[in-house]
Amino acid sequence: GAVVSQHPSRVICKSGTSVKIECRSLDFQATTMFWYRQFPKKSLMLMATSNEGSKATYEQGVEKDKFLINHASLTLSTLTVTSAHPEDSSFYICSAALWESGTDTQYFGPGTRLTVL
Amino acid sequence: GENVEQHPSTLSVQEGDSAVIKCTYSDSASNYFPWYKQELGKGPQLIIDIRSNVGEKKDQRIAVTLNKTAKHFSLHITETQPEDSAVYFCAEGEDSSYKLIFGSGTRLLVRP
Repeated sequence: GAVVSQHPSRVICKSGTSVKIECRSLDFQATTMFWYRQFPKKSLMLMATSNEGSKATYEQGVEKDKFLINHASLTLSTLTVTSAHPEDSSFYICSAALWESGTDTQYFGPGTRLTVL
Repeated sequence: GENVEQHPSTLSVQEGDSAVIKCTYSDSASNYFPWYKQELGKGPQLIIDIRSNVGEKKDQRIAVTLNKTAKHFSLHITETQPEDSAVYFCAEGEDSSYKLIFGSGTRLLVRP
């Protein structure tokens, strides 16, 4: 149980285009999902918290108009990188929170590697 | 502010030896401490977690200890195997907040 998927696993796009990444909780419902960004050999940086049916909460320094998040259902959250530029190239990872044992346990997706040319 | 320090950044051990990774946190309100294993090109995988109402938790070769007074927690891997080689991240969070703050990661290499 507690499987989270991401699609696509890899994407290459041209500068100026937009890219959508999907995050799905396959066997549980997740009221809350999270989006992280990870640079090579670095730790995970939380970008935003996505709550089903409401606006996402962005971390300081993350542009909400640049990284659009939609959490339309209890099993799906999407991250759209708008007008992508080479500096947006990174490994994007989502997680979904499963309520168990009195707290939320985060289960992570496999990640999406974005390369902007 | 919230901060988690993780040491060492790299760790090389001989197969069969034990490995210990330590994390120190600053937020007194933190009460949830998970450990994640990340293999190259993949997402983090939860391997063990501990909540503040216990001091130690064990799952086969993996154990985590928590010292709330000193604000540090450690991951212990015994009888290491080459497939344990990966990057390990500690994290801390609060029940009242869903956010996890991650450590900087430890690259573990188990030499055959």
